[in-house]
Amino acid sequence: GAVVSQHPSRVICKSGTSVKIECRSLDFQATTMFWYRQFPKQSLMLMATSNEGSKATYEQGVEKDKFLINHASLTLSTLTVTSAHPEDSSFYICSAQETSGGADIQYFGAGTRLSVL
Amino acid sequence: GQNIDQPTEMTATEGAIVQINCTYQTSGFNGLFWYQQHAGEAPTFLSYNVLDGLEEKGRFSSFLSRSKGYSYLLLKELQMKDSASYLCAAMDSNYQLIWGAGTKLIIKP
Repeated sequence: GAVVSQHPSRVICKSGTSVKIECRSLDFQATTMFWYRQFPKQSLMLMATSNEGSKATYEQGVEKDKFLINHASLTLSTLTVTSAHPEDSSFYICSAQETSGGADIQYFGAGTRLSVL
Repeated sequence: GQNIDQPTEMTATEGAIVQINCTYQTSGFNGLFWYQQHAGEAPTFLSYNVLDGLEEKGRFSSFLSRSKGYSYLLLKELQMKDSASYLCAAMDSNYQLIWGAGTKLIIKP
């Protein structure tokens, strides 16, 4: 099956530092990847859609200068949280879209739990 | 607006059957997805329906009625490991997923 790897699984950092999260599709090519944020006991909140070779599409209210997305290859997208602050602490999850049998299915990475001190 | 409704929480007994309902309202429709999410983990894909009817996959089945904007996930022979949140998501005309808030399923022995 489709496997998506997300790294790191957990990050603890000081306020003001930048954190980079990688999302890789291991056994398929993903033109489109997605970045989500999830607060405890809440549903997924889409932050941005990452398209290979072009700029990411950000959802309303998401600061593109704070959450930098790069999708330089068909198997890798990165999210960089710049100048992280405690309010950025959250569970960040990526997904990669695979087209199979005419359906576009998102497969998720394991998520990254970010704690900003 | 676009909206997904599913129950917040359900409780069922080990070995029993449970049905988790989902209704959706989207601008256009390109399919209905169910994902399972264990606490502290990322979602895992369970099923995809785009045509009316029942899709069976082992102990899990998913049903879709496009005319009613309705889907359900049926879990049979419940096991303790099935305790998780189940997320319903509908794909709109822009091929974007609209997510429900999830149904927390609690399995009791």
